[in-house]
Amino acid sequence: DSGVTQTPKHLITATGQRVTLRCSPRSGDLSVYWYQQSLDQGLQFLIQYYNGEERAKGNILERFSAQQFPDLHSELNLSSLELGDSALYFCASSDLAGTGTQYFGPGTRLLVL
Amino acid sequence: GENVEQHPSTLSVQEGDSAVIKCTYSDSASNYFPWYKQELGKGPQLIIDIRSNVGEKKDQRIAVTLNKTAKHFSLHITETQPEDSAVYFCAAFPRGTASKLTFGTGTRLQVTL
Repeated sequence: DSGVTQTPKHLITATGQRVTLRCSPRSGDLSVYWYQQSLDQGLQFLIQYYNGEERAKGNILERFSAQQFPDLHSELNLSSLELGDSALYFCASSDLAGTGTQYFGPGTRLLVL
Repeated sequence: GENVEQHPSTLSVQEGDSAVIKCTYSDSASNYFPWYKQELGKGPQLIIDIRSNVGEKKDQRIAVTLNKTAKHFSLHITETQPEDSAVYFCAAFPRGTASKLTFGTGTRLQVTL
């Protein structure tokens, strides 16, 4: 158990809908990272937050947004969902803004029908 | 940006044999190289990492080597066991707080009896 928690574990929704994925980092970790894992794209970095502020951005679509709250939990919002958004979404946390070791949560499996 | 290539994509070894997975990276500024193991239905789990000021690191049956000049690093698993069967990902992290972890495409390791 990495200490990173994610909810929900599974999510099934329809195209055009909006969902929110939640992540709680390990105790004491200030950085939260979001990744998307699909069969054809592998593990892709989406976005990083450090102590409430956006720190780095990857290939995150404009339909996706994230935030980190004062209690350091983070939410990833996915809107106007398309079939191609079906994937595993992982959250990771680390204690440093830079090259800190990242610990991954169990993921949320999103299926868009 | 950083590009990480990983080989082989699949690897089958007999129990007790050694397994070697190789990765190359493109950004000479990368200075942190973690390896993750992902079992079916779970999030990536950090198994070993190495920083650019070290050439080799070992943890029981697992070792990682880094050649900065050639920009490649490798994972070595000795005395493989069935529970080593999983997908392994290498990653590289360029120096700087706005940098992101770039993953290889993964190696599916199958340890047969």
